[in-house]
Amino acid sequence: GQNIDQPTEMTATEGAIVQINCTYQTSGFNGLFWYQQHAGEAPTFLSYNVLDGLEEKGRFSSFLSRSKGYSYLLLKELQMKDSASYLCAVKDQGGKLIFGQGTELSVKP
Amino acid sequence: GAVVSQHPSWVICKSGTSVKIECRSLDFQATTMFWYRQFPKQSLMLMATSNEGSKATYEQGVEKDKFLINHASLTLSTLTVTSAHPEDSSFYICSARVGGFNEQFFGPGTRLTVL
Repeated sequence: GQNIDQPTEMTATEGAIVQINCTYQTSGFNGLFWYQQHAGEAPTFLSYNVLDGLEEKGRFSSFLSRSKGYSYLLLKELQMKDSASYLCAVKDQGGKLIFGQGTELSVKP
Repeated sequence: GAVVSQHPSWVICKSGTSVKIECRSLDFQATTMFWYRQFPKQSLMLMATSNEGSKATYEQGVEKDKFLINHASLTLSTLTVTSAHPEDSSFYICSARVGGFNEQFFGPGTRLTVL
């Protein structure tokens, strides 16, 4: 079956670094996406990994290990506006995106 | 980046009525559009995949006669919730993809409340 796990919620302090983990078991793998979603809004694209390793984009980085079925999203220099839900999604062999339940991140002053 | 719009952004309707939600790709032609549903505190669940000019492919457990999808052009897909009931109240989000590109571009979502 399809299974994507990520923590339900996390709390971090403004200016700090936070790592959100995602583990997956899916029928086939054609890449892993991270999205940010603020309450009541649509998800916005953050990153895409298809090969093992780290992808860095400004304050956000994403890592993938296909052999371990594992990814993480790293957020540096946290800002209050980073408080949101972070969704891990895997593109399966059929081309569909399978979403995790999302991690609600609260950034506190 | 590519822009996808949805209309309406929110709708309140009475039980038993039908509601149509439009999804448009504004600056690109979308060969494939996806419809998702998101209940509070839950993640996005794919309802169906639609390709322009062909019938939509529905996910297991999604009633195709209740959730009618039409993808009549490369820039427009519609989702009609027929005979809506309170349990259909949810956040409906569409996304669009160009050809074989990986990235899906999401619309802003439509919040449906059925009284």
